[in-house]
Amino acid sequence: GENVEQHPSTLSVQEGDSAVIKCTYSDSASNYFPWYKQELGKRPQLIIDIRSNVGEKKDQRIAVTLNKTAKHFSLHITETQPEDSAVYFCAARNEKLTFGTGTRLTIIP
Amino acid sequence: EAGVAQSPRYKIIEKRQSVAFWCNPISGHATLYWYQQILGQGPKLLIQFQNNGVVDDSQLPKDRFSAERLKGVDSTLKIQPAKLEDSAVYLCASSLWSGTTEAFFGQGTRLTVV
Repeated sequence: GENVEQHPSTLSVQEGDSAVIKCTYSDSASNYFPWYKQELGKRPQLIIDIRSNVGEKKDQRIAVTLNKTAKHFSLHITETQPEDSAVYFCAARNEKLTFGTGTRLTIIP
Repeated sequence: EAGVAQSPRYKIIEKRQSVAFWCNPISGHATLYWYQQILGQGPKLLIQFQNNGVVDDSQLPKDRFSAERLKGVDSTLKIQPAKLEDSAVYLCASSLWSGTTEAFFGQGTRLTVV
């Protein structure tokens, strides 16, 4: 089955700096890679996703890159703001949707 | 568009008791997922339905957990008997289909087993 690894588990950055979270997956048949943000006590919510036929996708301050050969994908957040503080999860899907272990991002004002 | 509905929001039971959770997915969504999220961890897939058929239940502890999705719409997840380590948030999610489409999550049910 699919195995998704996520690093780092915690990340602190100064407000205005960039944050990068990396994930690797094991199943080469996986074709959909979403990123979810989960604030304390709330449900996970999709912030960006990428499909296997695309190498990069950007939405304002958030971007995701995918390297299918190496089986890894990354989330990039630029110009970080205090409201970006949350836990971020990557996921990969072939038939089933498998999540990584999460990254707790803290933005330091 | 109404979101994924779950009930109850919170439940406290004693070990060895039984508990059931209910989920109503977004209308028209064929795929329904149940995840277990232990505090500080990522969501772990327990079972995935496509309409009313099971796509994957490889991580469902079948000696105590069961789930069904009648008529391909609502779903219930049951634990009988509960153990202390079952304390977690149980998240239901749905998507249009099990391909490259977004999964929407419900608010979850926080279960505490004492």
